Amino acid sequence: AQRVTQPEKLLSVFKGAPVELKCNYSYSGSPELFWYVQYSRQRLQLLLRHISRESIKGFTADLNKGETSFHLKKPFAQEEDSAMYYCALAPFGNEKLTFGTGTRLTIIP
Amino acid sequence: DGGITQSPKYLFRKEGQNVTLSCEQNLNHDAMYWYRQDPGQGLRLIYYSQIVNDFQKGDIAEGYSVSREKKESFPLTVTSAQKNPTAFYLCASKPVRQGQIPEAFFGQGTRLTVV
Repeated sequence: AQRVTQPEKLLSVFKGAPVELKCNYSYSGSPELFWYVQYSRQRLQLLLRHISRESIKGFTADLNKGETSFHLKKPFAQEEDSAMYYCALAPFGNEKLTFGTGTRLTIIP
Repeated sequence: DGGITQSPKYLFRKEGQNVTLSCEQNLNHDAMYWYRQDPGQGLRLIYYSQIVNDFQKGDIAEGYSVSREKKESFPLTVTSAQKNPTAFYLCASKPVRQGQIPEAFFGQGTRLTVV
């Protein structure tokens, strides 16, 4: 069975401070991991995926297979980062896309 | 305007009635999904379909049914057997490709209230 865990439901960070949103997963095979974001009054959308190894809006995420984690990080938080963030997992060769419970990030001015 | 459309945005039904939520996409995507979004519980997968005329149960399929007769459409029926149907429902679609898994695109959602 595949499972995604986001231990923090709420996270508040001051503007300019570093941000880390935690994500742990369980899956016996080799999955692809994603971060999706939902800004206020907007649709859920892809932020980044582990396989691309890219930085989007200053955010990065590293897949740690030993710890089965895919934490999302940003060195300096901005007010526009306030949103709901979901970690997601999809196994290669299978279309089942599983999401975590989400973390609501609030940036304090 | 390409995309994925859910209708209606708000839906009210009496307890004991079945209700069908619409999801249409013109992105030519093979895979489609239904999720239920509840506060504190994130997105939970109800059903998904990888191809026309085929679908699989997700993690919380009890009390729901789906059909996939056309590539563009994946309606979800909330039956009277669903014990707690009041929720926000999200539909998504994505291509099916070998290798890298493409991103999923989401609809605006339907808020169902059962009274």
